[in-house]
Amino acid sequence: EDKVVQSPLSLVVHEGDTVTLNCSYEVTNFRSLLWYKQEKKAPTFLFMLTSSGIEKKSGRLSSILDKKELFSILNITATQTGDSAVYLCANSGGSNYKLTFGKGTLLTVNP
Amino acid sequence: NAGVTQTPKFQVLKTGQSMTLQCAQDMNHEYMSWYRQDPGMGLRLIHYSVGAGITDQGEVPNGYNVSRSTTEDFPLRLLSAAPSQTSVYFCASSSADRGLYEQYFGPGTRLTVT
Repeated sequence: EDKVVQSPLSLVVHEGDTVTLNCSYEVTNFRSLLWYKQEKKAPTFLFMLTSSGIEKKSGRLSSILDKKELFSILNITATQTGDSAVYLCANSGGSNYKLTFGKGTLLTVNP
Repeated sequence: NAGVTQTPKFQVLKTGQSMTLQCAQDMNHEYMSWYRQDPGMGLRLIHYSVGAGITDQGEVPNGYNVSRSTTEDFPLRLLSAAPSQTSVYFCASSSADRGLYEQYFGPGTRLTVT
């Protein structure tokens, strides 16, 4: 059974801090790993990673995948209050059409 | 382009009642999925479809039915609602052309079963 574990489950930081969110996974047949941001509504897509060692970047957010050690990290630099959200990691493995999600990391950025 | 739409936004049911949650997308996406999200549980896949006429079960399919008669619509039916089905339900779609795994989510339906 595919499994995705995120840590920490929650995190409180101050504006300007840098944070690292972790995602480890077990899959029968790895295809891709995805990160989503969820505010008080539907998740929105951030990154998709398929290859080890290639960093994806979007502004202050970046993510990297390690397929050997089966984990990914999401970094957010110079955090802002608007970064407060639940960050979800998901893995596609075993089947082309299914995503297995982790429980998410609740990030709170205080001014 | 409305993206993925879901109706209703909120619903309260009594135990044993049935209802259909509607989901539609106007992006001509082949793949559609239904998830439920419970506090502290992330998203769990209920059913999914890879095209019109084709559906399959996800991780938590019991108590739910789906059908896909058109590319655009993917309704989720609760046959006999139970309090354990109190949750937020998200529909999602994705395209094989852009990458199957980049799913676009609807705004969600918050369902309470009393």
